[in-house]
Amino acid sequence: KQEVTQIPAALSVPEGENLVLNCSFTDSAIYNLQWFRQDPGKGLTSLLLIQSSQREQTSGRLNASLDKSSGRSTLYIAASQPGDSATYLCAVLDSNYQLIWGAGTKLIIKP
Amino acid sequence: ETGVTQSPTHLIKTRGQQVTLRCSSQSGHNTVSWYQQALGQGPQFIFQYYREEENGRGNFPPRFSGLQFPNYSSELNVNALELDDSALYLCASSPGTGRADTQYFGPGTRLTVL
Repeated sequence: KQEVTQIPAALSVPEGENLVLNCSFTDSAIYNLQWFRQDPGKGLTSLLLIQSSQREQTSGRLNASLDKSSGRSTLYIAASQPGDSATYLCAVLDSNYQLIWGAGTKLIIKP
Repeated sequence: ETGVTQSPTHLIKTRGQQVTLRCSSQSGHNTVSWYQQALGQGPQFIFQYYREEENGRGNFPPRFSGLQFPNYSSELNVNALELDDSALYLCASSPGTGRADTQYFGPGTRLTVL
């Protein structure tokens, strides 16, 4: 059974710092991995999608990596801003085409 | 904005009642998925519909049922509500069969069961 774990559960850093969020999964048989952002009352926004054959994806200040063999992904946020404050979730599309989610990392960027 | 809307925003029900949650997908999106997100947890897949037929189901009992309509709207029905059904319910639409497509999420419906 696929399980997704995110560490840390919460993170608070000063504005301007670079930071890394971690995601691990137990079964390497995945189609893709996605990172989402969740803001209160606004649902989920897809940030980056990495296909199983890819190693990384970049969008602006965000860079996500995928090491399928070790069951790990990281989301790197450069030059953090207060507007980056949100909960970040990772999800893998498993062999049954179901999205399996981590519990998220709540990120607070202090001005 | 994803173009996916859900109603109502919040809902309070009592144990044993029935509830219907609604979702309006982006025009042209033939696939809709429903998720349950308990407080402090990631979403859990409930089921997915493609062109009005159920196309996959997670580990949820039959009292969770759904409908999808030709006008890109859909419903999630929950019968015999239990306290543990209190959660944020999210719908997501995607343009194709949805199996590996990017999903566009609505803002969710917060259900409280007393």
